[in-house]
Order: sequence, then structure tokens, then C-alpha cells
Amino acid sequence: GEDVEQSLFLSVREGDSSVINCTYTDSSSTYLYWYKQEPGAGLQLLTYIFSNMDMKQDQRLTVLLNKKDKHLSLRIADTQTGDSAIYFCAESPAFYGNKLVFGAGTILRVKS
Amino acid sequence: DTAVSQTPKYLVTQMGNDKSIKCEQNLGHDTMYWYKQDSKKFLKIMFSYNNKELIINETVPNRFSPKSPDKAHLNLHINSLELGDSAVYFCASSLSQGTETGVYTGELFFGEGSRLTVL
Repeated sequence: GEDVEQSLFLSVREGDSSVINCTYTDSSSTYLYWYKQEPGAGLQLLTYIFSNMDMKQDQRLTVLLNKKDKHLSLRIADTQTGDSAIYFCAESPAFYGNKLVFGAGTILRVKS
Repeated sequence: DTAVSQTPKYLVTQMGNDKSIKCEQNLGHDTMYWYKQDSKKFLKIMFSYNNKELIINETVPNRFSPKSPDKAHLNLHINSLELGDSAVYFCASSLSQGTETGVYTGELFFGEGSRLTVL
């Protein structure tokens, strides 16, 4: 089955690192994604990782993938107030075309 | 310039009415989607079309009818609106396969959402 779970809320101080965690169920997912949604806006792709990778770094973002445990994490270094948003983890089950299955989203609040 | 555009952005209507939301993408993608985001921000796929053909139809009431006149457009018509239909509806588009010049990532590009409020 398809199911993606995330913690619902994370609060950090400006300048600290944020780590958002996600677990997924479908091991056939070729790609796993992190999307960001700012208030009143649509979702925008932040980063993605190919399923045969363990880690991907993109400027302040680090994605870690533990395929054995089906665990994905997003680390944001030097978190800024502009990073406050909802972060969605998504998997792409291989046999469902391009269907993405999203987690419930993690609300990140950055305190100055 | 907008990649995926939806109209209207806000829609307030009475129970029992029929309404439509339109979506257009200018990215040259061949696949389009409708997602529903409820009040708890949970995002769930409703439909997907590839080159005007329905390929994903999740468990959605028959009152919801998507229509894709061409691969750049995907509209959503809702009959007999109910209170529980209140949500933000997101249109999205993607490629279904890689191109000669790019790496295929399966990325979905989302519109800004259409907030439907049923009174």
C-alpha cells in the first residue's frame, strides 16, 4: 500500500538546523521528493533523491535516504525565517504512472 | 508567463450548486492532475490525465467530472456541491517520460490552488 508519514510540526530558532523526517511504504518508488508550500501558494519542488542514492546535498539542503528502513529526511542548515512553510514528503509508486503520494506535511516555524 | 494557472483562485458557493475550476499549463507537459488539499493540509490525488486520456481515477464521488479538451488543459466540474467539498484544489502537470535533453525526475509542477468554500 501507499502511505507516507511525517511529523506534523517543528519549531527552530533562526540559524539552527532543521531536520524533517518522513517514512514511506512503497519500496518501488524511483524518486522521493520534498516539496515546500508557503501560505496561500501551491507546492514547489525543493529537492528530490533517486532511490539508489543515500544522500544528496544541494546548498543548505541535505537529503538522507535509508532505503532499508524506508526513511527519508530533509536537513535545512542555517534555517532562516523565510524557510517557515509546510514541507511535504512524497513518494512515486512505480506502477501508478506519475502519481505522487504525499505525506500530511510538516509545519516548520522559524523563530527569530 | 505562469507555468500552471488555475481559475478561479477563490470560489464561494451554496450547497447544491454546480461549479467548474479550469487549469492550463504552458510547459509542454503531457500529463495533468487534480489534487485536493483538505483543511488539515492533507494532499490527495483525485485524477490524472495523460494526453487527454484518464489514467488515474481515485475514489472520488461521481459528482466530480474532469475534462481534458487537449493536453494543455484539464478542467474540473463539480455537481451538487456539498459542505465536505470545501477544500483547496490544486492542478499540476508533469512529463510522463524523459526527453532527449533532460533528466527525467517525475517532478510535478503545481498551480497556485483554487480555494472552494461551500456554504
